[in-house]
Parts: sequence; structure tokens; C-alpha cells
Amino acid sequence: VVVTQSPLSLPVTLGQPASISCRSSQSLVHNDGDTYLHWFQQRPGQSPRRLIYKVSNRDSGVPDRFSGSGSGTDFTLKISRVEAEDVGVYYCMQGTHWPPITFGQGTRLEIK
Amino acid sequence: EVQLVQSGAEVKKPGESVKISCKASGYSFISNWIAWVRQMPGQGLEWMGVIYPGDSDTRYSPSFQGQVTISADKSTGTAYLEWNSLKASDTAMYYCARGTTGDFWGQGTLVTVSS
Repeated sequence: VVVTQSPLSLPVTLGQPASISCRSSQSLVHNDGDTYLHWFQQRPGQSPRRLIYKVSNRDSGVPDRFSGSGSGTDFTLKISRVEAEDVGVYYCMQGTHWPPITFGQGTRLEIK
Repeated sequence: EVQLVQSGAEVKKPGESVKISCKASGYSFISNWIAWVRQMPGQGLEWMGVIYPGDSDTRYSPSFQGQVTISADKSTGTAYLEWNSLKASDTAMYYCARGTTGDFWGQGTLVTVSS
């Protein structure tokens, strides 16, 4: 399954919203009814950190300005108001059809 | 508290072997998959494979099948990633992550292969 993110670069003004798209080459709805599409943040020099699991569930400690949505093959990560600490690369990952699990190419968020 | 603590950086020559580790704590090691993920310099994340320590069921990405070996030691709660003959193109940061959803990650192990 190929997972395609856009944009690959995302300059955003502090306090403004941001949106990242993730599209898969086939539906990510599993036979069990769940959709295994997750979002990760990788800040500079750090390990990846999961933000959102199964499309729209925020992980513990993740600010509520982060939200995930979508279904089937189209998914979106939204940041309602970008803060300086949000700088980094964001990846979507599909875990419905594996092996292999596949990541999107990554979207680099920077502050304008 | 769930923790994945990886072994330290490695500097090797082409053709050498290396085995890096990921020690898990704070959860049931044998009941959760552990994955390995490669990140080449300045590049994105690539899923290499995964092991279920409970029965050693191991699955590889086709891109990495035959190139690396993933293993686990239930007695110590440690997963391993091993190469028999390194290439310069194996230079990368390698992360372990829990499960097939990646809810927890190790700090990464940098493997540098250079003559």
C-alpha cells in the first residue's frame, strides 16, 4: 500500500491553522472494522512520537489543537493554531495491510 | 512506564557484522510486537520488520528481507536487529517501536558504515 502525503513542505505563521493530507492507494478499513491510519511527529533531533491513532484518537499528552479525520483512502491531520514547538516532520502510517507497514514521505512544518 | 532503551552508536567498516538492541520495560514484552524502523540521513521513516516475542513470529518488509535479521530474547526483554555484512548504504538511524501502531519508540541507534 502506497501512502502519499501533501504538501511535503508547509510554512505556517504562528497562531494560524495547518493541514496535512494523507492518501492511500487502497482502502485502509481492516476486516475487523477499524482503520489503522496513524500520525506521528518527529521534532528535530528526536525520535518519532505518535500523535493520533486509528484516524482520530489523540494520544495521551497530545494537545487538543491536533486532530485527525478521514476515512477509506483520504485522511487529514489538522493543527488548529500552530505553535513554535510544532516545528518538525509529520508522517502518516498505515498498519491495515501489512507486511509491510508503510509511511508517507513526511511533511516538514516550519514557521514562516 | 513503558520504555524502549536502545544500544549505543556503532561505527563499522563495510563487510563487518553488527547487532543492535532494544530493551523493553514497563509492559508485557512477550505480548506485544516490536518493530524496527530505518531513517537514512535526512530522509523519511522506513518500516523494516517486526517480531512477536511470545512465539518469535517475524515479518519483514520485502525491501529488507534477507538483508537483516530480527530476533528477540524473552528472558531479558530485548529485541535485536542484526547485519552479517554491512554496506555503506546501511548508514542510518535505527529505531525500535512497540507494536504495529508505534505507540512508544526507542531513542534510536546510529549505525555508521565507512571504510
